[in-house]
Order: sequence, then C-alpha cells, then structure tokens
Amino acid sequence: SQQGEEDPQALSIQEGENATMNCSYKTSINNLQWYRQNSGRGLVHLILIRSNEREKHSGRLRVTLDTSKKSSSLLITASRAADTASYFCATENAGNMLTFGGGTRLMVKP
Amino acid sequence: SAVISQKPSRDICQRGTSLTIQCQVDSQVTMMFWYRQQPGQSLTLIATANQGSEATYESGFVIDKFPISRPNLTFSTLTVSNMSPEDSSIYLCSVEDQGSGNTIYFGEGSWLTVV
Repeated sequence: SQQGEEDPQALSIQEGENATMNCSYKTSINNLQWYRQNSGRGLVHLILIRSNEREKHSGRLRVTLDTSKKSSSLLITASRAADTASYFCATENAGNMLTFGGGTRLMVKP
Repeated sequence: SAVISQKPSRDICQRGTSLTIQCQVDSQVTMMFWYRQQPGQSLTLIATANQGSEATYESGFVIDKFPISRPNLTFSTLTVSNMSPEDSSIYLCSVEDQGSGNTIYFGEGSWLTVV
C-alpha cells in the first residue's frame, strides 16, 4: 500500500550538488528501504536500514533513520545526471508488509 | 491517480499446486511490474509486463515458474507454479501511470504461504 510521505515531491539540482530526500512514516517498523526507479523500469533496491540502525552508507548514498521521529533521509552526494530518477522509501512493519511513500522525482541537470 | 486492487491478499497453498494472483487497475497503464518480497528483505523484480507483448523476466525468474498474463491495459496476472515452501513470500504488483507523469503506484501485496 502507499501511505508514507516523502518530501520533496520533486527536486531539481545541478550535477555535482548533493540531493537530500526525506521520508516520514506512521507506525513502528522492522526496517526501511530506499529504492530508485527510472521511467519504464522496475524498482532498484538501494539500501535497507534496520530499525536498530541509525545510519548506513553505500557509495555516494547515505541513509539515516530516526525512529523517534519516524523519519529517514536519503542523501546522494556529488550527484550525476544518471541519478535522475524517482526515489521511494518503503517501510516494513511487524506484519512484514511494505508501505511505500509517494516518491521524490529527482532531476540532475548536467 | 491509479487505484490497484490485488487478489488474493493472503493465501495458504499446498506444496505442488499453483496459484494465480490478480492485479486490477482502475485506469489504463502501460507498464506493470511484478515483485517478490521475502520478509525482512528488499523487493526483487520478477518481471515487467506490457500489454501486447511477452513479459520480460529478470535473471533468476523463468516463465514456466511464473507465467504472466497481460490481456489489456488494466489487468495482469502472475501465477506461481508448482509451489514449494521457498515460494512463500509477498508478491506485489506495481504500475507506472504515464498519464499522470509516470507516477508509480503499488498494490497491497499478496502474501502466500506454502505448506
């Protein structure tokens, strides 16, 4: 289902700049996952962060999780034109069902 | 916006049987995707289903095991064939609505348990 909230809904930056996307959710979670989707393609998994973790890194990606605020952020550093895509967060609850945010459309201008 | 109805939401299946999951959209969409999610893990794309063409399967997934139909722009089915306990998972359909600026929508998921 689609119940989480992401902001901004759209983000336009220049190549080389950092992009930060935020995700808020409402219930307690097992983990939170970030995905990327290019138009016409399936979701690509980026990072999974568990509820007892606060920060994870993968290459140019940094994800933070604040369970007290029920929020997460995805930071893409030194963005590239190829990072242009929609980014989604998804939370897995105790029932193991995923809930997706509405997504952030990122445009990186060369 | 697009509203997706996915059925069944849950089912318990006997080993060796097959089950078909339906994904109904309230508007016409070009792209439909089928995913599998095992608890605690990320989504894995099974295949992309476009109307009028054969589904495109990802590595590790084959048509004989996961046949997909896409008879029109509002409907698709995924069949999990000859099920084993390893197929116990949540199966999720997703659509890309090009009519609303390529917005992505997700079904509620179908949780299958194979015993």
